[in-house]
Amino acid sequence: DAGITQSPRHKVTETGTPVTLRCHQTENHRYMYWYRQDPGHGLRLIHYSYGVKDTDKGEVSDGYSVSRSKTEDFLLTLESATSSQTSVYFCAISDTTGSNEKLFFGSGTQLSVL
Amino acid sequence: EDQVTQSPEALRLQEGESSSLNCSYTVSGLRGLFWYRQDPGKGPEFLFTLYSAGEEKEKERLKATLTKKESFLHITAPKPEDSATYLCAVQARNFNKFYFGSGTKLNVKP
Repeated sequence: DAGITQSPRHKVTETGTPVTLRCHQTENHRYMYWYRQDPGHGLRLIHYSYGVKDTDKGEVSDGYSVSRSKTEDFLLTLESATSSQTSVYFCAISDTTGSNEKLFFGSGTQLSVL
Repeated sequence: EDQVTQSPEALRLQEGESSSLNCSYTVSGLRGLFWYRQDPGKGPEFLFTLYSAGEEKEKERLKATLTKKESFLHITAPKPEDSATYLCAVQARNFNKFYFGSGTKLNVKP
């Protein structure tokens, strides 16, 4: 296992409430990513980080913010959750060994917004 | 725009019936093409990375190949435990973003 822990594993919340998902890694990798996975859309990048306090937007970043104050933690926040944000959220880290680079994923967070 | 398309969306095979999954892509300079396996309720699990046209990688009953426009995942004599969703992703040169296809859901019947 790549040493990625996501919490919580499951979350049910109401529309309009803030939600924070946490990703913790023990690998000391520089790059961390947040994806959402929905039927028919595959995995879509929300935000990613290339270092402490260094983040950038992905293809579906509206309604989401991220923070990375330590190498090991990458937080995803839904400021005011909407039903369209019901999804499975995956955190990933990028392992670069020499010229090889690949993503390792956490187990996911199932988020339901009612 | 970088794009990844996988086909078919779903595939049902009998045990031992070989087949191939397709991943076609458009990317501004390919840095790497990745195959993942995903089981229900779990995160994607890394299978292969391919870097250049003509490259091939094998693992047990799986073999991945790459051309300039597409990649194939060949499954030889599949078993029921090969049932999963197979995802393809590309990484563009000079970018640290990975773009995924929607996946092929494989069901192998005994």
